[in-house]
Amino acid sequence: VLTQSPSASASLGASVKVTCTLSSGHSTYAIAWHQQQPEKGPRYLMRVNSDGGHTRGEGIPDRFSGSSSGAERYLTISSLQSEDEADYYCQTWDSGIVVFGGGTKLTVL
Amino acid sequence: QVQLVESGGGLVKPGGSLRLSCAASGFTFGDYYMSWIRQAPGKGLEWVAHISPASFTINYADSVKGRFTISRDNANNSLFLQMNSLRAEDTAVYYCARDSATGSYQAVGYWGPGTVVTVSS
Repeated sequence: VLTQSPSASASLGASVKVTCTLSSGHSTYAIAWHQQQPEKGPRYLMRVNSDGGHTRGEGIPDRFSGSSSGAERYLTISSLQSEDEADYYCQTWDSGIVVFGGGTKLTVL
Repeated sequence: QVQLVESGGGLVKPGGSLRLSCAASGFTFGDYYMSWIRQAPGKGLEWVAHISPASFTINYADSVKGRFTISRDNANNSLFLQMNSLRAEDTAVYYCARDSATGSYQAVGYWGPGTVVTVSS
């Protein structure tokens, strides 16, 4: 249902866009983004709707933003910091089923 | 401040049972969907089960259906996961999670630190 690239990289201070693709028939679904730093538990970042609207979780800086295009949902991180190096997971839900993407490992160069 | 603290993890033999608990605080527990999500060593996140505020709606992943039971005690702000017939592939960190908003299920909004379950002989 959810497809993510296994890895991404960008330089310190730059911006990066992480993509989550919804499968056919699910292109209007909202998703959530979660961050998992090395050796830590996950943290909720935001919800992204099909119209691109997004709602950040408590305490999440505005360097993190969300957007949408068709079946793709994006997480954009600007002004990359070393602590942004982490795994990023998208999540969606439908009819009692919850699904996570395989995760994208972000490396900050 | 939302807090979720899991307990009950440990080492158990294949075929054995374990009961996980999650103590919640900092919010009105009875207003939110609650979930269990796990992560096997070196792997991604896997949803296990969730339960609606009044326990009317309960759903399980196919991988645990018939073996695991999720329940909650709203009076004591607690979530549980009874795990029976455990297999090696159930070895994982188990996270307690709260929905991001009240009403119907939305998305995981808060995570606990997790508890480790190891199934091995």
